[in-house]
Amino acid sequence: DTAVSQTPKYLVTQMGNDKSIKCEQNLGHDTMYWYKQDSKKFLKIMFSYNNKELIINETVPNRFSPKSPDKAHLNLHINSLELGDSAVYFCASSQGTGHTEAFFGQGTRLTVV
Amino acid sequence: KQEVTQIPAALSVPEGENLVLNCSFTDSAIYNLQWFRQDPGKGLTSLLLIQSSQREQTSGRLNASLDKSSGRSTLYIAASQPGDSATYLCAVNTSGSRLTFGEGTQLTVNP
Repeated sequence: DTAVSQTPKYLVTQMGNDKSIKCEQNLGHDTMYWYKQDSKKFLKIMFSYNNKELIINETVPNRFSPKSPDKAHLNLHINSLELGDSAVYFCASSQGTGHTEAFFGQGTRLTVV
Repeated sequence: KQEVTQIPAALSVPEGENLVLNCSFTDSAIYNLQWFRQDPGKGLTSLLLIQSSQREQTSGRLNASLDKSSGRSTLYIAASQPGDSATYLCAVNTSGSRLTFGEGTQLTVNP
C-alpha cells in the first residue's frame, strides 16, 4: 500500500489554465505538506496543514490554494498557471509537527507550456 | 532563518568504497534531522531520522551522526554499491512544522 499518493504523476498544461493535484495519505497522520522542487532540484516548503488547519503559507502566490477536506487529504489547486510554475510538487505527511518522521509522495511533475 | 548546506554537491566513487556525505545547518535549535534518498524522477525515500537528543542512527550500511552544537550531520555509507547511486538530501526540522532541505549530494557508485 502506498503511504502518500499523489495524482497525477505528470501534468502538462498551457499557460493560463487552472489545474489541481490531489494527495492522500493512509498513515493516519494529522499533518500534511506541499513542497516544490525547482529545476535546480531544490526543495522548499509551500504549505503545511495540521488537522485541516493551515499553519504555514510560505509566501506562495494567491494563485495557489490548498484545500484539506479531511486529515487524510491535501489537494493543491493552481489558478492561471504560469511558465514559472513548472516544477515537481511533492506532498508529504507526518504525525504532529514536532519530532516525527516525514513521508513523501512520489511527486507530480507539472510542465506549463 | 535556517540554512542547510550539503557538501560535496556531487561524488563519484568505485564500488566497495566507504564514503561520507556532509550536511551543515545554521540554526542549532532543531527538532530533528532527516536524511532522504531521491532517485531520478522519483519521490523521496526516508533513510534515517535523528532526533535532536540523539547522536547517531544506524540502518544497515548507513550510519548518520548529529552534532547539534556545531550544526553538522554526516551520512556514512559503508561498502557502497551501484544501487546506492542517487541524490541524498539532508533536511532539518526547526520550527516543528517544516523541513528545510539542503541542495543534495548526487552520488554515483561505479561498478
